Amino acid sequence: QLQLQESGPGLVKPSETLSLTCSVSGDSFNNLYYWAWIRQSPGKGLEWIGSVSYSATTYYSPSLKSRVTFSVDKSKKQFSLKLTSLTAADTAVYWCARTLGPHYWTDAFHIWGQGTVVTVSS
Amino acid sequence: EIVLTQSPGTLSLSPGERATLSCKASQSVSDSSLAWYQQKPGQTPRLLIYGASSRTAGIPDRFSGSGSGTDFTLTISRLEPEDFAVYYCQQYGSSLSLTFGGGTTVEIK
Repeated sequence: QLQLQESGPGLVKPSETLSLTCSVSGDSFNNLYYWAWIRQSPGKGLEWIGSVSYSATTYYSPSLKSRVTFSVDKSKKQFSLKLTSLTAADTAVYWCARTLGPHYWTDAFHIWGQGTVVTVSS
Repeated sequence: EIVLTQSPGTLSLSPGERATLSCKASQSVSDSSLAWYQQKPGQTPRLLIYGASSRTAGIPDRFSGSGSGTDFTLTISRLEPEDFAVYYCQQYGSSLSLTFGGGTTVEIK
């Protein structure tokens, strides 16, 4: 059974860079599906950050595109997010997730990690 | 970017009642590429409906989705105690961006 697990610092300073990693276990980390990052600020709704394929093809939210970079480490079955120039507005729960079906990044999200809380504060 | 507007913001109902949640898109969502999620406090969102009307495996049949174009609806036929939560719609029909609605809270009256 597929499981996703986010990891990274819980506290980051303003203007610094956030690095999060999602580890994939229990099932195939392959080129069939797309893998995404989604976040939720306190008391707010959900925001798609972007999606990445196994072969590292990326699609980013237009509002975050200038600050975000995804990468993939196939040997470790991990994919990662880097978000630069952090502000308090980036404080959120960050989830990694997998698309429902294969082949398309434009899809619903079926499998989610448990989420990791990131606070941006000095 | 397709903007999704959910209404009402809060729905106050009693167990056993019917809940009707709306999600309106700022432009037509291609191929009815609309999903619904349930989120309980402190938990991860759970995918309920995809393709506007298809239930994900394991989702009770009291949950149903309908709609096309710009107007979509999630209906919970008879509310169970565990159904009180926040519900989000998401469109994935745009090749530019994926977007979520602002959510509807279904609370116990």
